[in-house]
Amino acid sequence: DAGVIQSPRHEVTEMGQEVTLRCKPISGHNSLFWYRQTMMRGLELLIYFNNNVPIDDSGMPEDRFSAKMPNASFSTLKIQPSEPRDSAVYFCASSFLGANTEAFFGQGTRLTVV
Amino acid sequence: AQRVTQPEKLLSVFKGAPVELKCNYSYSGSPELFWYVQYSRQRLQLLLRHISRESIKGFTADLNKGETSFHLKKPFAQEEDSAMYYCALSGNGGSRLTFGEGTQLTVNP
Repeated sequence: DAGVIQSPRHEVTEMGQEVTLRCKPISGHNSLFWYRQTMMRGLELLIYFNNNVPIDDSGMPEDRFSAKMPNASFSTLKIQPSEPRDSAVYFCASSFLGANTEAFFGQGTRLTVV
Repeated sequence: AQRVTQPEKLLSVFKGAPVELKCNYSYSGSPELFWYVQYSRQRLQLLLRHISRESIKGFTADLNKGETSFHLKKPFAQEEDSAMYYCALSGNGGSRLTFGEGTQLTVNP
């Protein structure tokens, strides 16, 4: 398995535009997480899914952010409209639900909103 | 609620010196604690977990339930240890992983 795959690796967009980040989890994993990484706040959990169902989206900053997981092998994080303060590295991670399981991270998407 | 605190954003030591990265947590049940590491321009990866009680790359971490801490230690730091380190907690049988703010470790020659 190639691990968790995220696309794009880098995204530069203008304020107000829609941004869609994509994630392919490791095959067989049933938990998926979206994190945002910034210098000021470190790693923040935005949302996580178990068996394709959103379990906790309390970390989603505001209504401009939405996430979907239509099947076990694909998830998207959308920002509409984007703002400069959304600039960050967004990580997707997957794991197999259970005690003491390791989360495997993707390479991240570096988003810059100008 | 589960919370992880890493009080030091930056930590700088010299090669060969001991290093300790602090981590405190708050959780009402029985937590599972992890340390993740992110080397420059690489993805986060698991360094060690408390239940394994293992030493990875010379690093160890002991869960102290009385002090609600899970500090990461290494007796002799190496330059290649320079990285961002995140302490993380998982509760309720797994799944949701909460991270601390991270500590950027720099090991100087």
